[in-house]
Amino acid sequence: GAGVSQSPRYKVAKRGQDVALRCDPISGHVSLFWYQQALGQGPEFLTYFQNEAQLDKSGLPSDRFFAERPEGSVSTLKIQRTQQEDSAVYLCASSLGFRITGGGRETQYFGPGTRLLVL
Amino acid sequence: AQKITQTQPGMFVQEKEAVTLDCTYDTSDPSYGLFWYKQPSSGEMIFLIYQGSYDQQNATEGRYSLNFQKARKSANLVISASQLGDSAMYFCAMRPWNTDKLIFGTGTRLQVFP
Repeated sequence: GAGVSQSPRYKVAKRGQDVALRCDPISGHVSLFWYQQALGQGPEFLTYFQNEAQLDKSGLPSDRFFAERPEGSVSTLKIQRTQQEDSAVYLCASSLGFRITGGGRETQYFGPGTRLLVL
Repeated sequence: AQKITQTQPGMFVQEKEAVTLDCTYDTSDPSYGLFWYKQPSSGEMIFLIYQGSYDQQNATEGRYSLNFQKARKSANLVISASQLGDSAMYFCAMRPWNTDKLIFGTGTRLQVFP
């Protein structure tokens, strides 16, 4: 498809288990973002890549969260030793360029999200 | 601190009527971008409209228009001729001037009834 895809769509994990969430951005998109959306809230920024470089990881809530984009395309968000508070929808977004190249109007296109439930 | 505020947790509108969804923001940045996204029950965030802080005219995209009042720091979304398919969560978001990340509000749930 032409849009951002994420897998799995749903993930149930036992507390303490490690999980890996995958994001396939739109082909050719330079920038990739991860957001966390708790129930009834707006998305909150986690981390951001420009090609393979992770430029901002200020939103990662703890060192249990790790993201990578080794070839500048597909990205994986890994959560180690999951906790119940990690239960949320994890959204991935991509954009063709970035703020400077787009004159400020670079649009982020979102995937359907991965709904993570930690029991 | 930079913040987006959406004070309407829920709104109802009759089909074919217009509706305004409120958004105010807090920033001291010299320039910034404002976005509206729609999130249906399927979960995907769908981009609707963009307004740059230095844009002279209010943005419009089909049935969507943005009522941008810079001095009041508001960026309300106006949906004209509402359709049943417009029922969804709507999020206002801001991109600060020195970053590419988006800051979202808590959203407004819009329900369109026949």
